[in-house]
Amino acid sequence: GDSVTQMEGPVTLSEEAFLTINCTYTATGYPSLFWYVQYPGEGLQLLLKATKADDKGSNKGFEATYRKETTSFHLEKGSVQVSDSAVYFCALMRFSSASKIIFGSGTRLSIRP
Amino acid sequence: EAGVTQSPTHLIKTRGQQATLRCSPISGHTSVYWYQQALGLGLQFLLWYDEGEERNRGNFPPRFSGRQFPNYSSELNVNALELEDSALYLCASSLVPTGANQPQHFGDGTRLSIL
Repeated sequence: GDSVTQMEGPVTLSEEAFLTINCTYTATGYPSLFWYVQYPGEGLQLLLKATKADDKGSNKGFEATYRKETTSFHLEKGSVQVSDSAVYFCALMRFSSASKIIFGSGTRLSIRP
Repeated sequence: EAGVTQSPTHLIKTRGQQATLRCSPISGHTSVYWYQQALGLGLQFLLWYDEGEERNRGNFPPRFSGRQFPNYSSELNVNALELEDSALYLCASSLVPTGANQPQHFGDGTRLSIL
């Protein structure tokens, strides 16, 4: 069945460091891919998405490119801030799965000032 | 625009009791989804409602049920509560019940604790 695997956390970086959170997926067909973020004490927010191969989603300085050849959707940011500290979830959704989102296990990111 | 709202924020129950969680979707959204975020298990899909009907459910026992009202708000009911039901329950809504281009918007969740 469909699945999402993302790097385990926690990830701790210093402010202004480069961030990569790896995400790979297993799915038939052409799923849509998402990154959701959960700030402390809050619910999930959509961070970015990509709906087809080679699409690049971007938001708030974060980027992720839909790589079908490697079935990956790695999250990157060139210079992280303390306010980026949160849990990040990679997710996929296929229309044929009737709108059910499959989430990765989440990666906790902590940024040191 | 108000986001997805859930109530209560916290709910404490004992084993064997029943819990009711509520969700109001974003105005105009017809689809409501429920997820369980249990410690160590990540996010798992529970239920999907659209236009008042249950459209899909995840791998959860029948004591997890719910409904969607004519105003598109939704309730999640959990009967015969067990300790492992302790989790954050997230509700999400989307504009239409399609996949690719209609992301789901999440509420802040209800923290259910079973003593």
